[in-house]
Amino acid sequence: KAGVTQTPRYLIKTRGQQVTLSCSPISGHRSVSWYQQTPGQGLQFLFEYFSETQRNKGNFPGRFSGRQFSNSRSEMNVSTLELGDSALYLCASSLEGYWTFGSGTRLTVV
Amino acid sequence: GNSVTQMEGPVTLSEEAFLTINCTYTATGYPSLFWYVQYPGEGLQLLLKATKADDKGSNKGFEATYRKETTSFHLEKGSVQVSDSAVYFCALSTNFGNEKLTFGTGTRLTIIP
Repeated sequence: KAGVTQTPRYLIKTRGQQVTLSCSPISGHRSVSWYQQTPGQGLQFLFEYFSETQRNKGNFPGRFSGRQFSNSRSEMNVSTLELGDSALYLCASSLEGYWTFGSGTRLTVV
Repeated sequence: GNSVTQMEGPVTLSEEAFLTINCTYTATGYPSLFWYVQYPGEGLQLLLKATKADDKGSNKGFEATYRKETTSFHLEKGSVQVSDSAVYFCALSTNFGNEKLTFGTGTRLTIIP
C-alpha cells in the first residue's frame, strides 16, 4: 500500500516568488493536514482538509493557502516567499484517527 | 489551549542502556497521545499511541503509559540500539483523528556503540 507522497522532495526558490507543494494521501484517506517544521519553531500546524473543506487552520499569514481536490489530493501554496519560509513542509493523511506522514518537501528560500 | 512539554535534548546513551524521554501535556477534555519518530531526512513515523487513561502503547520495544493523574506519557525502552538514533516527538490530539496534532519540541537521541 503506497504511503503519503509529497512532491517535490526539494525546492529552491527566490524571495518574492510563489511555490506550490503537492500531497497525495494514502488511497481511501479523506483527511489531509499540513505542518511546517523549522529548527526554531518546531512542528507547527498549517491547515487540515476533509472532503475538500478546510476544517482547521493554524496561525499563519494569508500568504499560506491550501486546497483539497475531489480525489483527496492536496496542494499548499505560499506566495511572496520570505527567507523565514525555508522549512520542511510535511503532509499527513488520516482515515481512522491515525495520521500518516509523508517524507516532506524541503523548501529553501534564497 | 493544548500544549506538550517534552524533555529537552539532545540525549546520548550507550548501546543497551535504558531510555526514558519525559513528556507531559496540558489539554482540554480527554486527549489521545502519540509518540512519533523522525529519522534523518525523513518524515514522521507513528511509533505508538494511547487513547485513554492507563492505556499502554507499545511498538519495537518502546512503551509509554497514559497517566491521567500526572498528565504524562513518558517513552521508555529497556535496551536501546544504534538504529534507535532519531528525533522523538510527543504529540496529542483532543478530537481523535479529526483535529490537528499538537507536538512537543522533539528530543534528539543518539546511541553510541
